[in-house]
Amino acid sequence: KQEVTQIPAALSVPEGENLVLNCSFTDSAIYNLQWFRQDPGKGLTSLLLIQSSQREQTSGRLNASLDKSSGRSTLYIAASQPGDSATYLCAVRRRMEYGNKLVFGAGTILRVKS
Amino acid sequence: DAGVIQSPRHEVTEMGQEVTLRCKPISGHNSLFWYRQTMMRGLELLIYFNNNVPIDDSGMPEDRFSAKMPNASFSTLKIQPSEPRDSAVYFCASSSGGTTGELFFGEGSRLTVL
Repeated sequence: KQEVTQIPAALSVPEGENLVLNCSFTDSAIYNLQWFRQDPGKGLTSLLLIQSSQREQTSGRLNASLDKSSGRSTLYIAASQPGDSATYLCAVRRRMEYGNKLVFGAGTILRVKS
Repeated sequence: DAGVIQSPRHEVTEMGQEVTLRCKPISGHNSLFWYRQTMMRGLELLIYFNNNVPIDDSGMPEDRFSAKMPNASFSTLKIQPSEPRDSAVYFCASSSGGTTGELFFGEGSRLTVL
């Protein structure tokens, strides 16, 4: 059974800091991994999608890496801003007997203080 | 594109009543997913469709839950009869490129069963 763990569960940093969010998964037979952001009372916004054959993806101040063999992904946020405050979730798309399934971690609650 | 559209955004009902949640996926997307989010259990996949056909409904908690996708632009999730423990935020998501494409979420339907 695929399990996805995110560390830390919560993080509070001053504005301007670079930070790293961690995601680990138990089964390396994945199609891809996706990072999302969720603001309170809102849906999930896709940040980055990394296919299993890729090592990293970048979008603006965000960089996500994937090490499938070790079952890890990191989301790097450069020069954090108060607007980055949200819950960040990673999800892995794993193979199943029929089709596939996206399994989510519990998320990291990020607070960036001004 | 308008994104994934869900309705209603909020629903308050009494135990035993029927609840119907609606979803319009992004035009051109051929996969649709229904998720439930609670504080205790996080995000759980209830069911997903590929080309309007249900592929995996193993996450549907009980026979009280049913989902349909009569065409490529519309899906419903029905709970009958509803119970207080069904209170949660229900999300619909869609993707293209088969079921391994990037997932896009709606804003969710917050259900409260009294």
